Amino acid sequence: DAGVTQSPTHLIKTRGQQVTLRCSPKSGHDTVSWYQQALGQGPQFIFQYYEEEERQRGNFPDRFSGHQFPNYSSELNVNALLLGDSALYLCASSLGGGTYEQYFGPGTRLTVT
Amino acid sequence: RKEVEQDPGPFNVPEGATVAFNCTYSNSASQSFFWYRQDCRKEPKLLMSVYSSGNEDGRFTAQLNRASQYISLLIRDSKLSDSATYLCVVTALDPDYKLSFGAGTTVTVRA
Repeated sequence: DAGVTQSPTHLIKTRGQQVTLRCSPKSGHDTVSWYQQALGQGPQFIFQYYEEEERQRGNFPDRFSGHQFPNYSSELNVNALLLGDSALYLCASSLGGGTYEQYFGPGTRLTVT
Repeated sequence: RKEVEQDPGPFNVPEGATVAFNCTYSNSASQSFFWYRQDCRKEPKLLMSVYSSGNEDGRFTAQLNRASQYISLLIRDSKLSDSATYLCVVTALDPDYKLSFGAGTTVTVRA
């Protein structure tokens, strides 16, 4: 039973660049949520995708966008990177558009220089 | 005021001890509550949901106090493997959907 996978594991980008992070949900799950976790902080909810639509969104600017594909995998895109975007980006999968019983992937560590 | 607040700790306890800590939330319309654990540089993992009547899972007991707007987690007979950061999660639908993680409480169990 495949768990949540994310790629890449680590990424280094320069200010102003754009980045795309990828997530494949746990087998049988259809909902993907994205979180940003800065060092020493709890994860901050970015948005959730269900049925290929953004269903819920946290307090993040429009520079953060996403997409969900028919196979339920998802991408997180961040444009015009800022130094403050450096963080661990976590993807979590769940079932039926909810956030109960979320399973997290190992995360992508993004460093913006 | 933050949506969800936790005592960062660390709580340093000997093996076999009982440790308890709380998580307070600001939105009285909050509906769902969870505890996750996160090991150093790893992803969070769901520990348990928190029900209105309180619930227990082995050595772990979670309580919800709606009147005072906090949830609690108690760990009995602490094991070395319980050393982790414990994150509380609160969701609300009013006025809009919001899911909030606390910053975590660090527990270190020593031999």
